[in-house]
Amino acid sequence: DAGVIQSPRHEVTEMGQEVTLRCKPISGHNSLFWYRQTMMRGLELLIYFNNNVPIDDSGMPEDRFSAKMPNASFSTLKIQPSEPRDSAVYFCASSLALRQGEKLFFGSGTQLSVL
Amino acid sequence: GDSVTQMEGPVTLSEEAFLTINCTYTATGYPSLFWYVQYPGEGLQLLLKATKADDKGSNKGFEATYRKETTSFHLEKGSVQVSDSAVYFCAPPTYNNNDMRFGAGTRLTVKP
Repeated sequence: DAGVIQSPRHEVTEMGQEVTLRCKPISGHNSLFWYRQTMMRGLELLIYFNNNVPIDDSGMPEDRFSAKMPNASFSTLKIQPSEPRDSAVYFCASSLALRQGEKLFFGSGTQLSVL
Repeated sequence: GDSVTQMEGPVTLSEEAFLTINCTYTATGYPSLFWYVQYPGEGLQLLLKATKADDKGSNKGFEATYRKETTSFHLEKGSVQVSDSAVYFCAPPTYNNNDMRFGAGTRLTVKP
């Protein structure tokens, strides 16, 4: 399996622009997680899905952030409008059955820079 | 709720030194326990796991023993290498939910 695939690998945009980050989880996994990592805040859980349904989005920083999972093989994280403080590495992760002791698989991340 | 408390870093060691990173947990039930590692420029990856009390997880020379009596899962390595420089995360137990909120992790730097 190719693992969790994120795109783009790097994104540079200007303040006010819309940014869309994409994630393809491992086939067959039923849980998907979006994280944001910065030096100041560490690794923050933004939102997670079970069976394509958002379960907890309490980590989404504000209404400018939205996430969707239209099917089991694709998810997006959108920031509109983007701001310089959104600059971070965004990770997507998936798992088969966390409660049964399965591990998380992480993608390589998207490095976002908002100028 | 289920959670972990992990020793804060950063930790700086010389090559071949002994490493311990402490992790204690609170959980209902008997969850599997995990350590993840993040190398520079990469996402987190599983380092080792233990599925029940007294189990010892091991990988790449690292070990951690699931101690139910002390609710601990400390990470150890007898002789660290420069290539072990990374951030180490003790994962929260997930027995009751999928709420995978990691702590700050412990940044390890190993100097030659």
